[in-house]
Amino acid sequence: AQTVTQSQPEMSVQEAETVTLSCTYDTSESDYYLFWYKQPPSRQMILVIRQEAYKQQNATENRFSVNFQKAAKSFSLKISDSQLGDAAMYFCAYRSLIQGAQKLVFGQGTRLTINP
Amino acid sequence: DVKVTQSSRYLVKRTGEKVFLECVQDMDHENMFWYRQDPGLGLRLIYFSYDVKMKEKGDIPEGYSVSREKKERFSLILESASTNQTSMYLCASSLRVMTNYGYTFGSGTRLTVV
Repeated sequence: AQTVTQSQPEMSVQEAETVTLSCTYDTSESDYYLFWYKQPPSRQMILVIRQEAYKQQNATENRFSVNFQKAAKSFSLKISDSQLGDAAMYFCAYRSLIQGAQKLVFGQGTRLTINP
Repeated sequence: DVKVTQSSRYLVKRTGEKVFLECVQDMDHENMFWYRQDPGLGLRLIYFSYDVKMKEKGDIPEGYSVSREKKERFSLILESASTNQTSMYLCASSLRVMTNYGYTFGSGTRLTVV
């Protein structure tokens, strides 16, 4: 079974600076999807960024980018120019491509605090 | 705007009560999921459903059951609520076909069992 590990329960960063959240996963599959979700105090889970394992190029969405290291099974999230609105719980998630196995497996989460 | 709606934001129930958590989606999604979220444990899958009247156990199904009589509605049932079921419950939905999209989530129900 796949597992996802986020080893940083909490992180903090000064506003306007850059922060990197770590995520590692374990799988025997060669094709899969990886996601980062954000959960602000409103509780609404928001998809931040996604990465297909067969793509070597790292995904980027505005100030958010990933460092996808397939061999190392690592999928970190970099937030540039941090803003107060980035404060939230961040979850890394894995999705298998095996037919029928459509569930997302989540990590433990990292609480990100932005210091003004 | 597409939505997944959970009927209650906060719920307080007594030990031994039968509890129903309701989830409705308006996106015609085939897949629906129930997760519970606990600090330090992340989100853990309780049950999921690929179609009407179909259900599959997730990682922590004990003490729970589900019902999916209509495509848009997926109910989580706590047959006899216990204090260790105090948690945040998140419902989600997705398309059946393999895509690179994740889920659409509801806003969660924070359940307290006293």
